[in-house]
Amino acid sequence: DADVTQTPRNRITKTGKRIMLECSQTKGHDRMYWYRQDPGLGLRLIYYSFDVKDINKGEISDGYSVSRQAQAKFSLSLESAIPNQTALYFCATSDSIGVTSRHFFGPGTRLTVL
Amino acid sequence: AQKITQTQPGMFVQEKEAVTLDCTYDTSDQSYGLFWYKQPSSGEMIFLIYQGSYDEQNATEGRYSLNFQKARKSANLVISASQLGDSAMYFCAMREGGGGNTPLVFGKGTRLSVIA
Repeated sequence: DADVTQTPRNRITKTGKRIMLECSQTKGHDRMYWYRQDPGLGLRLIYYSFDVKDINKGEISDGYSVSRQAQAKFSLSLESAIPNQTALYFCATSDSIGVTSRHFFGPGTRLTVL
Repeated sequence: AQKITQTQPGMFVQEKEAVTLDCTYDTSDQSYGLFWYKQPSSGEMIFLIYQGSYDEQNATEGRYSLNFQKARKSANLVISASQLGDSAMYFCAMREGGGGNTPLVFGKGTRLSVIA
């Protein structure tokens, strides 16, 4: 069973719609992250959370919001989707051991905004 | 300023040859970690190798090794004996100090194509 799951895996929506991407993990990690990947731009951080009461903006948070419903769940919302939010979205988790702590990624959600 | 720079958007290598993917980083922290991930065409992110700033030896994991040159702030990935399955995007990433309370910062990636 996958340790980090994302739903949906693929989504096509229209401009102006509200979209929620969900992430669940069974790794028991406190830290969770949302990144987006665009061709030629690598992965850029949208939001991250170090525990259920902690939410932090990343490099590109405008147009997005998040909710940390539980240690295991971290959702990303697009309140009013626009075409330039078309991208591959990754959820990731990490433990709190320090600089050695790597990210464990979900399989990604491919979002297309028409 | 970019914290992670990967200057090679794309590279080709012959099967069974070795290839080096470049990564330079920028940090003023003394404690940091460097990571490489592979992303095949299927899209998942696969962790390959880690190097800590205080590690005296270069990291190795099977056919992957990290050529860590601290003074030059470079952390190049070396893949030996390339295989067709190595064709993928490769991302270099860094976690700066602060007790591990920082997310990974990624470079823009290098697309490696292995030719038979």
